[in-house]
Amino acid sequence: GIQVEQSPPDLILQEGANSTLRCNFSDSVNNLQWFHQNPWGQLINLFYIPSGTKQNGRLSATTVATERYSLLYISSSQTTDSGVYFCAVGWTSYDKVIFGPGTSLSVIP
Amino acid sequence: NAGVTQTPKFQVLKTGQSMTLQCAQDMNHEYMSWYRQDPGMGLRLIHYSVGAGITDQGEVPNGYNVSRSTTEDFPLRLLSAAPSQTSVYFCASSRQGLNTGELFFGEGSRLTVL
Repeated sequence: GIQVEQSPPDLILQEGANSTLRCNFSDSVNNLQWFHQNPWGQLINLFYIPSGTKQNGRLSATTVATERYSLLYISSSQTTDSGVYFCAVGWTSYDKVIFGPGTSLSVIP
Repeated sequence: NAGVTQTPKFQVLKTGQSMTLQCAQDMNHEYMSWYRQDPGMGLRLIHYSVGAGITDQGEVPNGYNVSRSTTEDFPLRLLSAAPSQTSVYFCASSRQGLNTGELFFGEGSRLTVL
């Protein structure tokens, strides 16, 4: 069946460190988004990136659809980056979006 | 621009009670959906709508009803609440299809069923 995997499941960083989060998916996609769920539970759009590379401040994302993965880069991490990062994927052949299990990030001072 | 608005933010019910979670969006999006989020289970799709008057089931539809009488509103109804429906509920909308459009979420509604 259709699968979305994220790694690592948990990550602890010292403030100022860089990190890479990965999202693997089992089939070609036409929709991929990254979300940040903050400690208050809000789901915040980070990137809509079915292919290519985008950057927004300290965050950037790359999706290589042909190789079925996407990466989220966080540079110079801050404590406000803490929370859970989800990727969500949609396929042409399946009219729904599937969420990955998430990566829980804790940034400590 | 309010985006996607959910009410209430918190609710406690007794088993067997009914209630409606409200969702409204002001972005003129055709597609709306409801998800529930449970520890260790991620976000799972309950019901979705591709436009006014059209709804369909997602992954976990049992125990929930929806309707879409206007483009703006997509309420989720629990007819007889059960403890298994204790969860955080999120409403989302997108301009394009669920599998192609950028999703925008409301702030969530935390429901506890005793």
